[in-house]
Amino acid sequence: GIQVEQSPPDLILQEGANSTLRCNFSDSVNNLQWFHQNPWGQLINLFYIPSGTKQNGRLSATTVATERYSLLYISSSQTTDSGVYFCAVYNFNKFYFGSGTKLNVKP
Amino acid sequence: NAGVTQTPKFRVLKTGQSMTLLCAQDMNHEYMYWYRQDPGMGLRLIHYSVGEGTTAKGEVPDGYNVSRLKKQNFLLGLESAAPSQTSVYFCASSYSLRLATYEQYFGPGTRLTVT
Repeated sequence: GIQVEQSPPDLILQEGANSTLRCNFSDSVNNLQWFHQNPWGQLINLFYIPSGTKQNGRLSATTVATERYSLLYISSSQTTDSGVYFCAVYNFNKFYFGSGTKLNVKP
Repeated sequence: NAGVTQTPKFRVLKTGQSMTLLCAQDMNHEYMYWYRQDPGMGLRLIHYSVGEGTTAKGEVPDGYNVSRLKKQNFLLGLESAAPSQTSVYFCASSYSLRLATYEQYFGPGTRLTVT
């Protein structure tokens, strides 16, 4: 299967700071998604981004499929951004998940 | 439009008991998935289905069975529960033929404890 590596594994930010999360994958993929798992366990879709750049408010994502990586940018972080961010890639009917980046935004 | 729903939300089983988790989706998706998530861990694929009447094994299929008799439903069965199956179970669906997208959507999860 495809290996998906996320970095950093843990991140602590002061409210208002910016951050970049990275997702590397080991093979060509058809699609890529970013999810946020909030402290209550819900998995929330952030971006469906097989290639290119998308923005949604303070969050944006860029996928460079030819170089096998994706970046998630969080600007002006808020305490509600805390949780775990997962990257998942799709190939041959299955999704492969990274281990996640655990983000803690302190007030 | 409810998206992906899971029943039940919580369950406690004794070792050796059986149960079925139900997942339903109303997005007319072709593919459905069952994952488990253990504390502090990522998601691991148990079984999946690429269409009504089809199922396939994922990364951790042992001790589980699945069925997809209707397109909108995907059932996960535990025939003889073990404490190692204590976990949070997530169902997901993806692949819209109409929209030509593989975007995956998750249900709220089922928290299962086996004592």
